[in-house]
Amino acid sequence: KAGVTQTPRYLIKTRGQQVTLSCSPISGHRSVSWYQQTPGQGLQFLFEYFSETQRNKGNFPGRFSGRQFSNSRSEMNVSTLELGDSALYLCASRSDGNWEQYFGPGTRLTVT
Amino acid sequence: ILNVEQSPQSLHVQEGDSTNFTCSFPSSNFYALHWYRWETAKSPEALFVMTLNGDEKKKGRISATLNTKEGYSYLYIKGSQPEDSATYLCAFDNFNKFYFGSGTKLNVKP
Repeated sequence: KAGVTQTPRYLIKTRGQQVTLSCSPISGHRSVSWYQQTPGQGLQFLFEYFSETQRNKGNFPGRFSGRQFSNSRSEMNVSTLELGDSALYLCASRSDGNWEQYFGPGTRLTVT
Repeated sequence: ILNVEQSPQSLHVQEGDSTNFTCSFPSSNFYALHWYRWETAKSPEALFVMTLNGDEKKKGRISATLNTKEGYSYLYIKGSQPEDSATYLCAFDNFNKFYFGSGTKLNVKP
């Protein structure tokens, strides 16, 4: 079974631009969560999608948004990028009734 | 915002030493507690999911205990090996909303 994949792996953007990151969960997993890790910070929860609906949301500004498609693939969008958005963005998928989350390799976003 | 704390922040041990880390979390409305191992340049890997007070889980040389009433979990590594070098994260699962600690970075010297 293929693992969680994320594209792109690395990205460099300029302040003020917007960016879209993609996450393909493990086949059959309907829950996809997104996390941000910045230097010196632990993993911070952005949001969770389940069956195309946002089920949970962390404490991030509205510039961070996401969506999930019918095939469970998820995208995360950050608008009006700020230098502080430079981070590793991880997604994780989970199957129904299963406790474990499986993480993707992450997208390293650098904002200059 | 829920506060999840891990200690120590980092640990340097010799091969063969046994070690343990602590994860503290809110003791009210407990749902589940997860432990992950995160090696450099890899994805976090699930170690344990603990749901009941008094839970004890074991995988090889690694084990974990859970006390939901007082809000802490311990992770133990017996006879540390260099390949155990990684950051160990705990996460408080608040009904599918995860709150991670900042991790304990373990370095095992051969």
